[in-house]
Amino acid sequence: DTAVSQTPKYLVTQMGNDKSIKCEQNLGHDTMYWYKQDSKKFLKIMFSYNNKELIINETVPNRFSPKSPDKAHLNLHINSLELGDSAVYFCASSHRATYTDTQYFGPGTRLTVL
Amino acid sequence: EDQVTQSPEALRLQEGESSSLNCSYTVSGLRGLFWYRQDPGKGPEFLFTLYSAGEEKEKERLKATLTKKESFLHITAPKPEDSATYLCAVGGGSEKLVFGKGTKLTVNP
Repeated sequence: DTAVSQTPKYLVTQMGNDKSIKCEQNLGHDTMYWYKQDSKKFLKIMFSYNNKELIINETVPNRFSPKSPDKAHLNLHINSLELGDSAVYFCASSHRATYTDTQYFGPGTRLTVL
Repeated sequence: EDQVTQSPEALRLQEGESSSLNCSYTVSGLRGLFWYRQDPGKGPEFLFTLYSAGEEKEKERLKATLTKKESFLHITAPKPEDSATYLCAVGGGSEKLVFGKGTKLTVNP
């Protein structure tokens, strides 16, 4: 009965490769997010989608491209991976795109770029 | 720009030794202050939302309070299973959730 799930849990790859992370939520929420947690454990938002529409796009390199095929799924594709992309990426969802609504997080994907 | 500062960065307690974690914030129009717990290798787990100064919420050994400038997470008689990193986040005028760096709590038996 996982509410927000991500795959894969771990991802180890070489610099320059392209990779994707998938996220699914079964909470019936309208809004989904991608966060990056760096080595200092600082959690920062990257993107937010509401009903498949991009509503937040922080200052993120355009090598990162989110895609939302439907409101229960939000995938993150990363092109030309760099060493600095190594981090834990979290997907989250909330009922609506307002910041009074609680966000529920997935288990994270630990990306290691060699 | 919305900012969140949590202190201390790390806290070690003996089982049963009560204490408080601090979250100071600056935000243009607070819409919600959130507390999360994060265990190693896992995603943040929601604990509380506070919306206005003076509001308090409790859950087991945890109690969260809110003023106009800060929030406290009080831990009463903690147990080793309360060991985790506690994250504070604010939602405000920037239309995004801004997190602090967290307080790593260790409770020794």
